[in-house]
Amino acid sequence: DIQMTQSPSSLSASVGDRVTITCRASQDIGNYLTWFQQKPGKAPRSLIYTVSTLQSGVPSRFSGSGSGTDFALTISSLQPEDSAVYYCQQSESYPITFGGGTKVEIK
Amino acid sequence: EVQLVESGGGLVQPGGCLRLSCAVSGFIFSDHYMDWVRQAPGKGLEWVARSRNKANNYTTEYAASVKGRFTISRDDSKNSLDLQMNSLKTEDTAVYYCRRVVVSTSNYDYWGQGALVTVSS
Repeated sequence: DIQMTQSPSSLSASVGDRVTITCRASQDIGNYLTWFQQKPGKAPRSLIYTVSTLQSGVPSRFSGSGSGTDFALTISSLQPEDSAVYYCQQSESYPITFGGGTKVEIK
Repeated sequence: EVQLVESGGGLVQPGGCLRLSCAVSGFIFSDHYMDWVRQAPGKGLEWVARSRNKANNYTTEYAASVKGRFTISRDDSKNSLDLQMNSLKTEDTAVYYCRRVVVSTSNYDYWGQGALVTVSS
């Protein structure tokens, strides 16, 4: 199975800060990397797919980058509504696997 | 408007069975792969199973943790996706989500609201 390792597991930042979450795959996953946002009590929401394609309706302050085994989700200017848990997911091979999540809090 | 609505969750004893359903509307269900993903209380996301579309012979994939116990199925005439869960264990306790898969773009764009399954004596 492909292991997905996210870091950090949690972070606290101020409104307007630039925030970066990283995700490392245990083997090359090409561009089969998706980022999700999940707020308490809600279903996950797709933010970015195929590494860097922004989901329709997602604010442009979110961006994705990377290739092979190392990927990143960047929020260019953190907003209060971005407080959530963020997950990466690989779908290059079965079983599909997720990172452990990164909890983003607003200072 | 695309909607995915899960039903069938509840409390079941260890060793018991339960069937979840996901009613879909707002898109051509038969064109899409569909997944079940679960989330244990306070934990992260875990992919459970996949149903491919008719063009791919409705073939399926499963996580090792549920293979042989869970069965994913679909009825394209009813726009419905099911998950039959047998031999349930306490570690199967989770919120179960169905989601749409857009294979061509590896996009997972629509999710249901989730159904809680509690396995406890």
